[in-house]
Amino acid sequence: DAGVIQSPRHEVTEMGQEVTLRCKPISGHNSLFWYRQTMMRGLELLIYFNNNVPIDDSGMPEDRFSAKMPNASFSTLKIQPSEPRDSAVYFCASGRAGMNTEAFFGQGTRLTVV
Amino acid sequence: AQSVTQLGSHVSVSEGALVLLRCNYSSSVPPYLFWYVQYPNQGLQLLLKYTTGATLVKGINGFEAEFKKSETSFHLTKPSAHMSDAAEYFCAVRGSGSARQLTFGSGTQLTVLP
Repeated sequence: DAGVIQSPRHEVTEMGQEVTLRCKPISGHNSLFWYRQTMMRGLELLIYFNNNVPIDDSGMPEDRFSAKMPNASFSTLKIQPSEPRDSAVYFCASGRAGMNTEAFFGQGTRLTVV
Repeated sequence: AQSVTQLGSHVSVSEGALVLLRCNYSSSVPPYLFWYVQYPNQGLQLLLKYTTGATLVKGINGFEAEFKKSETSFHLTKPSAHMSDAAEYFCAVRGSGSARQLTFGSGTQLTVLP
């Protein structure tokens, strides 16, 4: 199993530009999570999908952030326009339904907005 | 709502010494608890999890954790630290109902001294 695949691994962009982060979850998993990690705020859940449907997006910082999951094997997190304070490592994780199941994390995308 | 508190953002131990990383949780329902490890520039990897049954849970790399309901704790231990254990460790609790995402603690950076 290839695990959760995120792309790109690193992204440097200028303030105001649109940024799209991509995630391919593990086949057979029906839950998908986007987390953001910063030194100041630690790991924050941005949005959670179940069976491709957004269940909880209360962690999405503002309207500049949007996430989609058009099918079970692909999700995107878009920031438009990007700002320097969006600089962070963004993780995608997937898992099976069920309270006793863990989430499997991708390697993350390190985003730097200059 | 559920939450976890990790006591000590930084812990240093000598190689061969006992590792003890503390985690206390808050949950309105029986908790599902997890410990993850993050090596530099990597995603999070599951060490172990508690769901139901035996309160002493063994994980990978010689780590174990004990669920103590009376103390609302889930501390992580390893009898003898190895240099390769140096990493950041996260405790997490899984929510219930529609909030099935993992909520993470702020993390504990473990340093192993030669």
